[in-house]
Amino acid sequence: GAGVSQSPRYKVAKRGQDVALRCDPISGHVSLFWYQQALGQGPEFLTYFQNEAQLDKSGLPSDRFFAERPEGSVSTLKIQRTQQEDSAVYLCASSLALVGGPAYEQYFGPGTRLTVT
Amino acid sequence: DQQVKQNSPSLSVQEGRISILNCDYTNSMFDYFLWYKKYPAEGPTFLISISSIKDKNEDGRFTVFLNKSAKHLSLHIVPSQPGDSAVYFCAASLPSGTYKYIFGTGTRLKVLA
Repeated sequence: GAGVSQSPRYKVAKRGQDVALRCDPISGHVSLFWYQQALGQGPEFLTYFQNEAQLDKSGLPSDRFFAERPEGSVSTLKIQRTQQEDSAVYLCASSLALVGGPAYEQYFGPGTRLTVT
Repeated sequence: DQQVKQNSPSLSVQEGRISILNCDYTNSMFDYFLWYKKYPAEGPTFLISISSIKDKNEDGRFTVFLNKSAKHLSLHIVPSQPGDSAVYFCAASLPSGTYKYIFGTGTRLKVLA
């Protein structure tokens, strides 16, 4: 079946612009994660959804970052007033795991490379 | 504060030999560990996982070993193939909550033909 897809794959934004990054998870996966990966680093957790509920947003670096998953499927990560330090690859992952249930692996999309100039 | 560490940024191995990638962690509460492989311009691909109740898990050419007392995880690839050349990340998660992963910084493996 289809994997996790993300769009756009590449985004160049001028400093101060708003951007929106989209994630389509694997069908049937109720859990969805966003990670940020800086150059030369491992992915770092941003936020987590179980269905449409955002249960953990402890990794969002500032209030300029906002994520939603209104119907429990597609998710959008929005960054307002982008700054140069926001330049990174933004990865989306989905999983069968539920809070309190057994652990399952996460499946990652190809990422969106954001460059803020 | 890096809770998951991969101290070797790179590793080169001859084709057919064993590749051993290492990972150390500091949080003894982690109970689920995974290895991911990443090619350029692609997302991480799941390779193998292990629960803290086990000390070894094997899947084809890939074996993961967990030493809880040493807080150490390793991935063995035998035999190594040129297609295994990629960046390998270890990740860990806590037993409750959302299962968000804490990743290491990665090790770049190059398998020489």
